[in-house]
This record gives sequence, C-alpha cells and structure tokens, in this order.
Amino acid sequence: DIQLTQSPSFLSASVGDRVTITCRASQGISSYLGWYQKKPGKAPKLLIYAVSTLQSGVPSRFSGSGSGTEFTLTISSLQPEDFATYYCQQLNSYPLTFGGGTKVEIK
Amino acid sequence: QVQLVESGGGVVQPGRSLRLSCAASGFTFSSYAMHWVRHAPGKGLEWVAIISDDGSKKYYAGSVKGRFTVSRDNPKNTLYLQMNSLKAEDTAVYYCAKDHDYGDHYTDYWGQGTLVTVSS
Repeated sequence: DIQLTQSPSFLSASVGDRVTITCRASQGISSYLGWYQKKPGKAPKLLIYAVSTLQSGVPSRFSGSGSGTEFTLTISSLQPEDFATYYCQQLNSYPLTFGGGTKVEIK
Repeated sequence: QVQLVESGGGVVQPGRSLRLSCAASGFTFSSYAMHWVRHAPGKGLEWVAIISDDGSKKYYAGSVKGRFTVSRDNPKNTLYLQMNSLKAEDTAVYYCAKDHDYGDHYTDYWGQGTLVTVSS
C-alpha cells in the first residue's frame, strides 16, 4: 500500500498568513493526488485534484503543486473559514489512501 | 442537486454485522462509481471501498477486506456496505461519496455520514 505522510500534523496560524502543507508519498504516484478539507461534524470537501486543479467553487487562494512523491497545498491568505483539517489522498493504486491530516488552528 | 443520505448506523456488539445504505438522488447514479470512507473518532480519514458504476469491480482497504462487502442497486439508486465480524476499531462515522465527474475516483459529493459504534 502507498503511505502518505503529511507535515506538519498541526499548525497554528493567523488570518492572512500564507500556509503550506506537505504530503510525501512512499512511492511515485504520478499526478494522482488530491486535497480535502474536513471540518468537525461536516463531510470532507474536495479542494484540489490531479495535484493542482481547483475543484469547482473552491476559492483561488488554495493551490496545489508537486510531482512524483512530494506535493504541497498552499493557502495564500488564510481566512477564518479555512481553519480545519486538511488531508491528501493518492489515487495512483488501490487501496486508495489518505495522509494522516494537518490540523490548521487559529493562533 | 446531488444528495447522498446514509442510514443504518448504530451500536453493535463486536463480532456482529450491520448493513449501511446510501440513498442517492440528483444525478445519474448508474453512471458513477461510488465510495465508502470512514472517520474514526480522533483519527484521520480512511478510504474503505469503491464499487464501479455497474457493480462489476470492487476494491477494499486492507483493514476491511474479507469482512466488508460493497454493493449497489442501480434501479433503486442505493449503495450498500455490508459489515461483518465487526471490531471495536471499526467504530467511525461512515460516509458514502460520489465519484468525480471525470471518473478519476476523486470524490466530489458526500453524504452527512452515519455513526457506527462497535461496543459490548
């Protein structure tokens, strides 16, 4: 199975900050990498697919990049509604797997 | 609009079985693969299973393989997850999710989830 390691697992940031989350895969996953946002009591929300394509309706302050085994999610200017936990997911091979999550909290 | 509504969760003893359902509406159910994903308390998201649009292909997470079975009834627009030999570590909110419009197996719509608690 492909393991995804996210870092950091927790970060504290202020509104307006630029935030970067990293996702490392245990083997190459080409461009089969997505990012989800999860808030307590709510279903996950797809933000980015295929490394860098923004899902419809997602604000442009979210962006993704990377290739091979290392990927990043960037929030250019953190907004109050962005405080949540973020997960990467690989779709290169079954079983599909998620990273461990990065919780973004208010500083 | 796309709607996914899970049901069937509850409290069950270890070793027993439970079947979850997911009623879909607002899209052509028979044209999309469907997923189950779970979120255990205090843990991260875990992908559980996927079933192809026609039900012919199924894949599972290693943690549930051989115990859980995903199925679908396209005329009834319903997805199922049969969970057998349940363990305490299966305790989680279970979500059904629709495959992405592009068939690339990202998930663009999710239900509200149903809580399964495995406890004696």
